[in-house]
Amino acid sequence: KQEVTQIPAALSVPEGENLVLNCSFTDSAIYNLQWFRQDPGKGLTSLLLIQSSQREQTSGRLNASLDKSSGRSTLYIAASQPGDSATYLCAVRPNGSSNTGKLIFGQGTTLQVKP
Amino acid sequence: SAVISQKPSRDICQRGTSLTIQCQVDSQVTMMFWYRQQPGQSLTLIATANQGSEATYESGFVIDKFPISRPNLTFSTLTVSNMSPEDSSIYLCSVAGQLAKNIQYFGAGTRLSVL
Repeated sequence: KQEVTQIPAALSVPEGENLVLNCSFTDSAIYNLQWFRQDPGKGLTSLLLIQSSQREQTSGRLNASLDKSSGRSTLYIAASQPGDSATYLCAVRPNGSSNTGKLIFGQGTTLQVKP
Repeated sequence: SAVISQKPSRDICQRGTSLTIQCQVDSQVTMMFWYRQQPGQSLTLIATANQGSEATYESGFVIDKFPISRPNLTFSTLTVSNMSPEDSSIYLCSVAGQLAKNIQYFGAGTRLSVL
């Protein structure tokens, strides 16, 4: 059974710091991995999607890496800003056409960036 | 990207009653899903809403408790039946393209409290 773990559960940093959020998964048979941001009352926003054949994806100050063989992904946030404060969720999509919509989520890392 | 609207955004309900949550998408989508996020927990897939046929439920979720409709490619409803306090959660609608490589999008969610 696929399990997704995110460490740390919470993180508080001063503005301007670079930081890394970690995600690990127990079964390497994944189709892709997606990082989301969750703001209170605003649902989930997709940040980055990495296909299983890819090693990393970048969007602005965000960089996500994937090491499928070791079951790990990291989300790197450069030059953090108070507006980055949110909960960050990692989700894997298992292999198999029948699992098209089934994402397995971690419990998230709640990030606070202090001015 | 897809814009997903959910109604209501929040509700407080009495034990034993039922609540129907609506999900409207601004474009036709192949796949629609319903997720639940219990307090302090991550997201769990309830079911896949199939257009023109019965929904496909995940283990632990049954049609009598969570009936789902999907009359067309842009709209779906989830009913939480005979509610108990344990049903207090955020319920989120999600959509994706047919291909597993597609990004998955989420609505803002419906925050349900059952007294």
